[in-house]
Amino acid sequence: SQQGEEDPQALSIQEGENATMNCSYKTSINNLQWYRQNSGRGLVHLILIRSNEREKHSGRLRVTLDTSKKSSSLLITASRAADTASYFCATINTGGFKTIFGAGTRLFVKA
Amino acid sequence: NAGVTQTPKFRVLKTGQSMTLLCAQDMNHEYMYWYRQDPGMGLRLIHYSVGEGTTAKGEVPDGYNVSRLKKQNFLLGLESAAPSQTSVYFCASSPVSGQNEQFFGPGTRLTVL
Repeated sequence: SQQGEEDPQALSIQEGENATMNCSYKTSINNLQWYRQNSGRGLVHLILIRSNEREKHSGRLRVTLDTSKKSSSLLITASRAADTASYFCATINTGGFKTIFGAGTRLFVKA
Repeated sequence: NAGVTQTPKFRVLKTGQSMTLLCAQDMNHEYMYWYRQDPGMGLRLIHYSVGEGTTAKGEVPDGYNVSRLKKQNFLLGLESAAPSQTSVYFCASSPVSGQNEQFFGPGTRLTVL
């Protein structure tokens, strides 16, 4: 079963708008990561948030983590057409190191 | 640095044929992984390695074998390909700690007829 599950499965917005994607997971984790995948390409790491952190920023990205609800969100502000991609959350269980990926959110940003 | 490279990029096999996918990384990473990605699904871990000469099973290891004879290379073998193994295969590597980000290769698109 998938550890991380993203919501929504697909999202279509206009350029300049903000995009929010959510991820839920089932077990205790050491950290949660977000990756981006452009069509036909490999995944690219965006940001990592540790289990003792609640919020992290990187450029136009803002990630939150709520371990009590076992959920995370990724906010992309002022989206651009180049942000069009699939976004995946990935978790590593406490005591382990195998990364479990969710099914992803497909984001489409219209110019 | 080339990062993580994969060969081949595309391959078509007939059921029952065998092949080996090669992954190479030039970042001196200890950990390497093989994933498969199917439509509408996230990546699923096939096998992984925590260092030269070591391998371990992931979520979906059946039908695959791996070897890590050299630190920079991680090979994925299909002994007798089946249509269910039609997928895009990604290799990744990460530094000493498995908690760090993973660096991905561009993928191999495999079709088994």
